[in-house]
This record gives sequence, structure tokens and C-alpha cells, in this order.
Amino acid sequence: QQPVQSPQAVILREGEDAVINCSSSKALYSVHWYRQKHGEAPVFLMILLKGGEQKGHEKISASFNEKKQQSSLYLTASQLSYSGTYFCGTRDRGSQGNLIFGKGTKLSVKP
Amino acid sequence: DAGVTQSPTHLIKTRGQQVTLRCSPKSGHDTVSWYQQALGQGPQFIFQYYEEEERQRGNFPDRFSGHQFPNYSSELNVNALLLGDSALYLCASSEGLLYEQYFGPGTRLTVT
Repeated sequence: QQPVQSPQAVILREGEDAVINCSSSKALYSVHWYRQKHGEAPVFLMILLKGGEQKGHEKISASFNEKKQQSSLYLTASQLSYSGTYFCGTRDRGSQGNLIFGKGTKLSVKP
Repeated sequence: DAGVTQSPTHLIKTRGQQVTLRCSPKSGHDTVSWYQQALGQGPQFIFQYYEEEERQRGNFPDRFSGHQFPNYSSELNVNALLLGDSALYLCASSEGLLYEQYFGPGTRLTVT
């Protein structure tokens, strides 16, 4: 079952904050976040393995609510370089290794 | 430290032909997963190789097959190409089955 990401697209001014949500109907083992720029491969941002886990990467952080089967990606004080499409990939309990990706959230940061 | 590499970068094939794509994993990684990404969509899982065996497979027909070699590199083969096979094919490697996956630059396949 493909995770649902919201919003589908968001436009920010430099310095503004954004939250991207990822929701699954299945019990999750882990959530993986990636950013993909046009014409390039997805770049790994972070993995969340435990319920309630929060991780940070520069000004980008994420949380994982295992009970609600949801994860959120937080981008603070956005920079032009944050522009791209953000994907969450989920691995459900019982899966041996494949990731199921959402449709992505397109983030545009403008000067 | 070399990352994941894929070849070729671009490929144009005719409907009905066969194609082979190649992937070398990141140093220290032993697991390779293949994904197909259509324009405007997220990557879709094709299959995963570990210890030279296909461990898991997504919802793709038997026309899609693969192989993993003793040095952990991998190939993706697609037979009887269809127009709908046109996509970006991504290889991702990881250390074991359950940890973070790192993507290669992809192979852009166009079927005419």
C-alpha cells in the first residue's frame, strides 16, 4: 500500500518553514526520506527506525509516530537549495527489504 | 569512497528489443535493489538481491529479470520491451536488507 504524502506541492520564500507529512495504512518498521532534484537521483536524507524517533540533518528534521503510522519532515529556515521533490519510503513490518514510495511533495523555495 | 554507479546513463531501444542495465553498489554494501521511476512518480520497487539471490520482488512481469554477481554488482534485464517501459531505472544499495538505501544516478531508458 503506497504511503500518502501531503501536501502535493508547496511554495516557500527563503527563510520560511515547511512540514511534509507521510501516512501509511500499514504497520511500519521504518520510514526513509529522500530529496530528488530534477533530472537527478534521489538523495538519502534520513531513516527513522523506532516509534517516536526524531532525527535531524542540518535544518531538516523528522519524526516518526509508530502508533499513527505517520512521519513528518520539518524544514526550517528554508534555503534555495532545499527545492526539489521530497519522497517518503516506507518499509512495513513483515517486509524483507523493499521500500514503497509515496508520490512525492514538490517543494519550491523562492528568493 | 565511490558511491553507487550505474551504466549506461541513457539508452534508446526499439519496442521488442532486450536491454541490460548495470549497477555497482557503494563500497561496503552487499544488497542491491532496483526501482523504476516514471515521470512525476515515486520510485517503484522491481526486485532486491542479496547473497546473489532475488530476495523480494515487486509487481513486475517476468520480462524483468536480474542477477547479482559475487562482487555484489548487479544487472537488470528487460525482454520484449514495451513503450511503457520507458522510465528512469534506479539502482540502490544498502548494507543488508533493512537499512538505508543509497541511489545511483539512474539509467534513462527510452523505448520507441
